[in-house]
Amino acid sequence: GAVVSQHPSWVICKSGTSVKIECRSLDFQATTMFWYRQFPKQSLMLMATSNEGSKATYEQGVEKDKFLINHASLTLSTLTVTSAHPEDSSFYICSAQAEPSYEQYFGPGTRLTVT
Amino acid sequence: AQKVTQAQTEISVVEKEDVTLDCVYETRDTTYYLFWYKQPPSGELVFLIRRNSFDEQNEISGRYSWNFQKSTSSFNFTITASQVVDSAVYFCALTAPWSGGSYIPTFGRGTSLIVHP
Repeated sequence: GAVVSQHPSWVICKSGTSVKIECRSLDFQATTMFWYRQFPKQSLMLMATSNEGSKATYEQGVEKDKFLINHASLTLSTLTVTSAHPEDSSFYICSAQAEPSYEQYFGPGTRLTVT
Repeated sequence: AQKVTQAQTEISVVEKEDVTLDCVYETRDTTYYLFWYKQPPSGELVFLIRRNSFDEQNEISGRYSWNFQKSTSSFNFTITASQVVDSAVYFCALTAPWSGGSYIPTFGRGTSLIVHP
């Protein structure tokens, strides 16, 4: 199956700093990528839809200035958590959507801890 | 609007038991895709299956089988002779990319399966 990589797999940062998470589709091109946040024992919460070459579409309640998304190419999308705070600590997951099947392939996730 | 309901929050079974995970969906679209994903304790979601709305054939893959019934809007997942390695959270999802439907998938809340040795 298709492979999506996500880096880093875990990161600890201090409050007030910014963290960038990369999501790459390794063996297919993805026009659309998604960014999710998952709290312990909960479902995936869609944060934003990222389309190559255009601005990301954010879900209601997600601060676009805090969670900056860039989809620079058909194989790379990045999520930058700016001025991170402890409440931003979470498990962040990206996925890349294959076409025309619309199957989503997920990255392994990034566990962010803000101290 | 699309909705996916996984009513079972947690299921606990003993190894070798059969277990069925329920998934009920709602959509106004006549064509759509249904998916199942597995999230083991490591956290990475793994694609298991995709089913087109116009293909109601049931599918079997090893110990896994899926029962798609449009009449009841259900897409249930059965694991036969469960094993400890099957312990994970399983998500059902729906995408309806045609006729104005959103290609953004809708996920259920997940069912946590615990298989005891």
